[in-house]
Amino acid sequence: NAGVTQTPKFRVLKTGQSMTLLCAQDMNHEYMYWYRQDPGMGLRLIHYSVGEGTTAKGEVPDGYNVSRLKKQNFLLGLESAAPSQTSVYFCASNWGTQYFGPGTRLLVL
Amino acid sequence: GIQVEQSPPDLILQEGANSTLRCNFSDSVNNLQWFHQNPWGQLINLFYIPSGTKQNGRLSATTVATERYSLLYISSSQTTDSGVYFCAYFGNEKLTFGTGTRLTIIP
Repeated sequence: NAGVTQTPKFRVLKTGQSMTLLCAQDMNHEYMYWYRQDPGMGLRLIHYSVGEGTTAKGEVPDGYNVSRLKKQNFLLGLESAAPSQTSVYFCASNWGTQYFGPGTRLLVL
Repeated sequence: GIQVEQSPPDLILQEGANSTLRCNFSDSVNNLQWFHQNPWGQLINLFYIPSGTKQNGRLSATTVATERYSLLYISSSQTTDSGVYFCAYFGNEKLTFGTGTRLTIIP
C-alpha cells in the first residue's frame, strides 16, 4: 500500500514550457486534491475532484488544468509555466481522512 | 465560510517539555483533522477527531464540538516534533486549514 505518490519529485522549467504532474493513490478514495505551498505559507487549493471524470476549481486555479480520467490518478497540467508558479505542489486524497503525497518541487526560471 | 484560528502562532520549547496547541472554529464542524508538516515538508495526518479524545503515543487530541475548539497535546517533546501543526475541517467537499502553529523544539 503506497498511499499517495507524486511524479516527479523535482523539476526545473523555463518560462513558457509545459508539464504535467502525476498523482496516484491506491486507497480507492473518491476525492483528490492539488495544492500549492509557497515558502512560509499555508496550503492553497488549486483544483480538486470528487470522483472519476469530475473536476472543480479551488482557490487559485488560474494557469493550471486538471484531469481525472481514472479514479486512482489525478493529473495537474501547466500549459505555459510562469515564474509565479514556482512552488511546492502537494497532491492529496480523502475519504474521511486526508492523506498527502510527498510533494513536487517546481522551479520556473 | 467557517474561520479556523490556531494559537499560538509560534512556540519554542526545550526538549522534554509538554505543549498544548489550540484550534478554534467560528461555527460547528463535524469533521476535524490535525496534521504535522515536518521541517522537510512532509505532511502527515495525526488525528481524525470530530469529537472526543484520541491518543497516539505522546500525542493526544481532544475536540469539543459544542464549544467549537480542538486541542492537540504533545508530551515529552522531541526534536522530531518540530514543524508546523495544522488543524482543518472538511466541508463543501474540501478541507479548510487553520493558520498553523510553528513548533520549534530545542535540544
